Amino acid sequence: DQQVKQNSPSLSVQEGRISILNCDYTNSMFDYFLWYKKYPAEGPTFLISISSIKDKNEDGRFTVFLNKSAKHLSLHIVPSQPGDSAVYFCAASANDYKLSFGAGTTVTVRA
Amino acid sequence: DTEVTQTPKHLVMGMTNKKSLKCEQHMGHRAMYWYKQKAKKPPELMFVYSYEKLSINESVPSRFSPECPNSSLLNLHLHALQPEDSALYLCASSTRRGQGHEQYFGPGTRLTVT
Repeated sequence: DQQVKQNSPSLSVQEGRISILNCDYTNSMFDYFLWYKKYPAEGPTFLISISSIKDKNEDGRFTVFLNKSAKHLSLHIVPSQPGDSAVYFCAASANDYKLSFGAGTTVTVRA
Repeated sequence: DTEVTQTPKHLVMGMTNKKSLKCEQHMGHRAMYWYKQKAKKPPELMFVYSYEKLSINESVPSRFSPECPNSSLLNLHLHALQPEDSALYLCASSTRRGQGHEQYFGPGTRLTVT
């Protein structure tokens, strides 16, 4: 049962433009959400997180938005850079050890 | 420093071999994790150690045996593996088990079972 869903397997964006990655979840007990970036043959790198008590968190070029009523979060990357080309995983936890991951979205930034 | 190191980077082993994967972190984190990741799939949790004690085993076959010798080290002992166990094995750590504490991942060990 996939509790975290990333429905877009891939995203192509031009360098300098905004990348928007989406994530939906079904478990209403989730109260902490994270985004990870992964290059091939490497471990995931933590990018940014948000607690359910907030609706927005910003860190440099990365902003995460949370809409609890819709059980939806998104990651905005502005401006997109070639080094942002990677697989992005959305993850969620319910005050517990376990991270539930989405299937990932492959982002390609075109020059 | 948010570094988790893993050795070896690559490992090829036969189904009758015994090998070990090693993970180390010096961030003072008290929770450590083993994940398995297949190509184009998200990481799957295998084990969680909290304060050097095994707290979670996600129904992992006994041919995988974790060990936490101290708060900085985590091992995964492998024995009699199957070809389908070939995957990227990731170690992660966090400040403690529980919500609000990001897990930091190592680069992984690419395991091939022949």
